[in-house]
Amino acid sequence: GENVEQHPSTLSVQEGDSAVIKCTYSDSASNYFPWYKQELGKRPQLIIDIRSNVGEKKDQRIAVTLNKTAKHFSLHITETQPEDSAVYFCAASMYTGGFKTIFGAGTRLFVKA
Amino acid sequence: DGGITQSPKYLFRKEGQNVTLSCEQNLNHDAMYWYRQDPGQGLRLIYYSQIVNDFQKGDIAEGYSVSREKKESFPLTVTSAQKNPTAFYLCASSWGLDQPQHFGDGTRLSIL
Repeated sequence: GENVEQHPSTLSVQEGDSAVIKCTYSDSASNYFPWYKQELGKRPQLIIDIRSNVGEKKDQRIAVTLNKTAKHFSLHITETQPEDSAVYFCAASMYTGGFKTIFGAGTRLFVKA
Repeated sequence: DGGITQSPKYLFRKEGQNVTLSCEQNLNHDAMYWYRQDPGQGLRLIYYSQIVNDFQKGDIAEGYSVSREKKESFPLTVTSAQKNPTAFYLCASSWGLDQPQHFGDGTRLSIL
């Protein structure tokens, strides 16, 4: 069946370094790729998203890249700060008659001060 | 944050009992969703609703039921047929399907 693989499961970086989280999806019909941040004990919140007709999108320190051919998309966080510490989830969605959204298992990011 | 309210925050279910989780949104969103989150796993879609009086099964609908009688409300019932109900349940809403979703704070369900 459809799935989304997310790597790494845990990532530890020094404050100020960059962090990269990668996801691979299986269903080529996927056309919407959001990223959510979930801090401990809080609700997931959208941080950035990208659609299949775009290759890259940037919002301040956060960027997402999409390679449709490889069915691969990545989250890039630059100049990391301790408040970036959280669990990050990627997802791949499609709406072709029926709606389907598959989430990755999550990446726990630690930013050390 | 406002927007989506889930209640209760914690819920305990006895064997053979049905329990209902509440989800209310004041964002005027058409679409609403229910997800289940287990430790170390991503969110899995239980049910979704695109408009009032319409809802569709997600990937893990067995043992769950929903209703969408009002635009603001999308309650989830965990029935006795769900043999492993212990999990964290998240409700979300959006303007439409495949649009950014706004989540509630979740309900943690445990078995007594």
